[in-house]
Amino acid sequence: AQKVTQAQTEISVVEKEDVTLDCVYETRDTTYYLFWYKQPPSGELVFLIRRNSFDEQNEISGRYSWNFQKSTSSFNFTITASQVVDSAVYFCALSEARPTQGGSEKLVFGKGMKLTVNP
Amino acid sequence: DAGVIQSPRHEVTEMGQEVTLRCKPISGHNSLFWYRQTMMRGLELLIYFNNNVPIDDSGMPEDRFSAKMPNASFSTLKIQPSEPRDSAVYFCASTNARLAVAYEQYFGPGTRLTVT
Repeated sequence: AQKVTQAQTEISVVEKEDVTLDCVYETRDTTYYLFWYKQPPSGELVFLIRRNSFDEQNEISGRYSWNFQKSTSSFNFTITASQVVDSAVYFCALSEARPTQGGSEKLVFGKGMKLTVNP
Repeated sequence: DAGVIQSPRHEVTEMGQEVTLRCKPISGHNSLFWYRQTMMRGLELLIYFNNNVPIDDSGMPEDRFSAKMPNASFSTLKIQPSEPRDSAVYFCASTNARLAVAYEQYFGPGTRLTVT
């Protein structure tokens, strides 16, 4: 069975601090995809990144970076020089990639981690 | 391009009433998902469709919940009769699935349901 664990439930930092959000996953498949979503106080869920299991290269997008390590089944997310606008709940998610009637597999979400960035 | 559209955005109803939530996925997407989010249970998948066909409804709480997707551009989630414990934010999401590839899901703004 698939499982995503976000051990941290809530983190509070001061603006300009770096913060890392942990994500550990479990799956039996060799082909799978990992995702991060952001849910700001306004409530919508915003897609941040998708990574497949064959690509372990770290990715950087502005102040955001992601560290994917298959050896530890982790897909951690780091925000550098955090800003107040980064305050949100962040979700890590996992999807297997087996074909199912030509369509999608479901996403398994972690419980989410609430990040508060104080000025 | 328009994103996933959900209506209504807010719904307040009395216990026992029927509630219908609506979703229009992104044009061209062939998979649609219904989620429920509460403080206690987090984000739960209720049901999802591929090419308008229900694939997994194991997350539907009970027989009071039903979902349909009559065509590629419209889906409904119905609760009949509604109960206070159904109060939650209901999200619809869609994606453009390909064989053996998982793509990101795009979420609608959600419907906040309050059952009194």
